[in-house]
Amino acid sequence: KNQVEQSPQSLIILEGKNCTLQCNYTVSPFSNLRWYKQDTGRGPVSLTIMTFSENTKSNGRYTATLDADTKQSSLHITASQLSDSASYICVVSANAGNNRKLIWGLGTSLAVNP
Amino acid sequence: KAGVTQTPRYLIKTRGQQVTLSCSPISGHRSVSWYQQTPGQGLQFLFEYFSETQRNKGNFPGRFSGRQFSNSRSEMNVSTLELGDSALYLCASSLLQGPEGEQYFGPGTRLTVT
Repeated sequence: KNQVEQSPQSLIILEGKNCTLQCNYTVSPFSNLRWYKQDTGRGPVSLTIMTFSENTKSNGRYTATLDADTKQSSLHITASQLSDSASYICVVSANAGNNRKLIWGLGTSLAVNP
Repeated sequence: KAGVTQTPRYLIKTRGQQVTLSCSPISGHRSVSWYQQTPGQGLQFLFEYFSETQRNKGNFPGRFSGRQFSNSRSEMNVSTLELGDSALYLCASSLLQGPEGEQYFGPGTRLTVT
């Protein structure tokens, strides 16, 4: 069964600290993996999209890694800011001919405190 | 370029009523996807429209329906509302059909069924 699991479910850190969010997936056949940031009451915004051949991708203070062998991805946030408080959602695209779909994780809720 | 817009932003309905939500995609985007988001289930895919045709459908009852107009604007209708339909409804537009295209989300419509 195609699944995306994220950990931790929630996280509280102090402003300026780094943190890492995890995403494990059992999706086949794998097409790409995306990380989204969703502020409260808003729609998700794409942070990165990674294909099978990409190990690392950065977007400012956000760095995503992908290990296609172990089917794991992480999102590292450097020097966190209050505005990083949001839900971070991992999404994996499965592409099997006519059966193409996105499998969404439940997200990690991050709170950055001053 | 204007982003994805959704109207209304908030809606309160009673059980048994029906509701219509509207989504205007980014100019030039022909794909519109609809999602239901609840705290326990995360984002659940409803359906995707591309060039006025439904291309993909999630596992929702027939009470959930949609359509797309020639200008790519899309509407989603829910009939005979149930308490469990209370959720944030998100629409996403994309240049490409299917899960491969990067999706741009609107702010969502918060539906409360009482």
